[in-house]
Amino acid sequence: AQTVTQSQPEMSVQEAETVTLSCTYDTSENNYYLFWYKQPPSRQMILVIRQEAYKQQNATENRFSVNFQKAAKSFSLKISDSQLGDTAMYFCAFMKTSGTYKYIFGTGTRLKVLA
Amino acid sequence: DARVTQTPRHKVTEMGQEVTMRCQPILGHNTVFWYRQTMMQGLELLAYFRNRAPLDDSGMPKDRFSAEMPDATLATLKIQPSEPRDSAVYFCASGFLIQRGPNNEQFFGPGTRLTVL
Repeated sequence: AQTVTQSQPEMSVQEAETVTLSCTYDTSENNYYLFWYKQPPSRQMILVIRQEAYKQQNATENRFSVNFQKAAKSFSLKISDSQLGDTAMYFCAFMKTSGTYKYIFGTGTRLKVLA
Repeated sequence: DARVTQTPRHKVTEMGQEVTMRCQPILGHNTVFWYRQTMMQGLELLAYFRNRAPLDDSGMPKDRFSAEMPDATLATLKIQPSEPRDSAVYFCASGFLIQRGPNNEQFFGPGTRLTVL
């Protein structure tokens, strides 16, 4: 069975600084997807970035980028030029490329951006 | 702008009452999920449907919870009778999910915050 671990329950960062959130996972699958979701106080789950395991290039979306290390089963999220609006809970999720398409979520990292 | 909608957004009820939560998935999506979020358990998958057929409801307490998808535009999650421990935020998500699909991801609704007194 797949598992996803986020070892940092809470983090804080100064506005305009860079922060990295860690995520590790365990799977025997070779092909899968990885996601980072943001959940602000509004509770809405917002997709931040996604990575397909068969793509070696790390995904990037504006100020958000990932460091995907397939052999190490690591999928960290880097937020550059942090903004107050980045304050939220961040969830890492794993999904197989076939079969159930269920998400396996990590426990989340609460990020606070300080002014 | 297509999005998943859920009603009601908030529900307060008394123990023993029936609760029905509704979800309208994004048109064209073939898979619908129900999740529950609590502080203690995080995000748990309760049930999901593929092409309206229930595929897995193993995460759901069978004696009181039921999930249905009467048509492609409506998914329901019902709790009868409700208990205080059911208090949580319930999310619906949908996606067009196919093998190695280039756009495989789940889109979440805004959630229903349920409080059972």
